Amino acid sequence: DIVMTQSPLSLSVTPGEPASISCRSSQSLVHKNGHTYLDWYLQKPGQPPQLLIYLGSNRASGVPGRFSGSGSGTNFTLKISRVEAEDVGLYYCMQALQTPLFGGGTKVEI
Amino acid sequence: EVQLVESGGGLVQPGGSLRLSCAASGFTFSSYWMHWVRQAPGKGVVWVSRINSDGSTTSYADSVKGRFTISRDNAKNTLYLQMNSLRVEDTAVYYCVHYDSSAYHAFDIWGQGTMVTVSS
Repeated sequence: DIVMTQSPLSLSVTPGEPASISCRSSQSLVHKNGHTYLDWYLQKPGQPPQLLIYLGSNRASGVPGRFSGSGSGTNFTLKISRVEAEDVGLYYCMQALQTPLFGGGTKVEI
Repeated sequence: EVQLVESGGGLVQPGGSLRLSCAASGFTFSSYWMHWVRQAPGKGVVWVSRINSDGSTTSYADSVKGRFTISRDNAKNTLYLQMNSLRVEDTAVYYCVHYDSSAYHAFDIWGQGTMVTVSS
């Protein structure tokens, strides 16, 4: 089974500064169709998670351009170019190559 | 408007049963895989179960296998989760989630969740 490891567990950020979250999988998330099945979600306080990044590096509809996803194989990164106050919450990576599995989450606070 | 609305949560004693429902609207429900995901209080998000578009294929997390049953009624645009032999550790918010397999290949629509509390 795939194991997903996120780091750091928590992140204190300053508005306007960049932030970065790492996600590692124990196996490659590249499907034979060429897609990389790694997504990023943000759960704002009191809300369900919302999709930020799909297939490793694609922003979902309506997601601000300050969010970007990168990486390949087993190592992935979510970057926020300039953090805003509304970006606080829990960030999860998730692999969908096999039965879906979320990382442990990263709490981002100002 | 695309929407998923869960219902059926509540307080139940250990060993008891509950059936969760999820009413879908705004998209062609019968064309998509659907999932249940849960989140225990103060904990992370955990995948629970999934079902294919016509209900013929299901799978479960090991923690609920043999106790939970996912099903769907495409005529009613409704997803279900029958939960039996409930344990204290099943206490969580349960989310109904749409998996987009055409563009996103991700969970793009989430319900607001329904709380299940297992306690004596």
